[in-house]
Amino acid sequence: QVQLQESGPGLVKPSETLSLTCTVSGGSVSSGSYYWNWIRQPPGKGLEWIGYVYYSGSTNYNPSLKSRVSISLDTSKNQFSLKLSSVTAADTAVYYCATIVAAFYHNSANYGVPFDWWGQGTLVTVSS
Amino acid sequence: SSELTQDPAVSVALGQTVRITCQGDSLRSYYASWYQQKPGQAPVLVIYGKNNRPSGIPDRFSGSTSGNTASLTITGAQAEDEADYYCNSRDTSGNVVFGGGTQLTVL
Repeated sequence: QVQLQESGPGLVKPSETLSLTCTVSGGSVSSGSYYWNWIRQPPGKGLEWIGYVYYSGSTNYNPSLKSRVSISLDTSKNQFSLKLSSVTAADTAVYYCATIVAAFYHNSANYGVPFDWWGQGTLVTVSS
Repeated sequence: SSELTQDPAVSVALGQTVRITCQGDSLRSYYASWYQQKPGQAPVLVIYGKNNRPSGIPDRFSGSTSGNTASLTITGAQAEDEADYYCNSRDTSGNVVFGGGTQLTVL
């Protein structure tokens, strides 16, 4: 069973860069078993996929955020990270890290893209 | 279009059956997954693929797809099933998309 834990500042100033880290246990970010994702949820609103990184370093981002997002791996610490630049109040949200089983993603026609493991989430507020 | 549309709110009487739907063109090619989210908690996967339940999910939860519409059915809804439910899928570019969510009330 994979366990995920988000960490990072809970308050970020407008125009600055939001940085979060997800620490993984029970699995390795260096294996090809999972896609490592970030998802966010503004207060009182729905879920929004931000993007993923794969063990190879390949990434895929939500087109609406692509110009501001970077997701990367730190294999030495078994972590993956999110950077979101030029933040505004609209980026205030609970940020989750989550996994997709790679075999399912590669065979989405039969499995869809299920996020099976989730972190508990961390609230990031953008305010001066 | 890669959008997924859900009804904002649905209600069901205790012990009755409820269907929550998710519509989108991508569902003609890819299965939806379904998540239950209770206040202050992370979402929990309840259904994926054609009709697969992760370990620990009660068998009163089931999924189906017809054309561009995926459905989550709860047969014999319990008080603890009151929650927000989200669907998700992907588009041909590999981008993941979520529905807007359905708030389920158990009366």
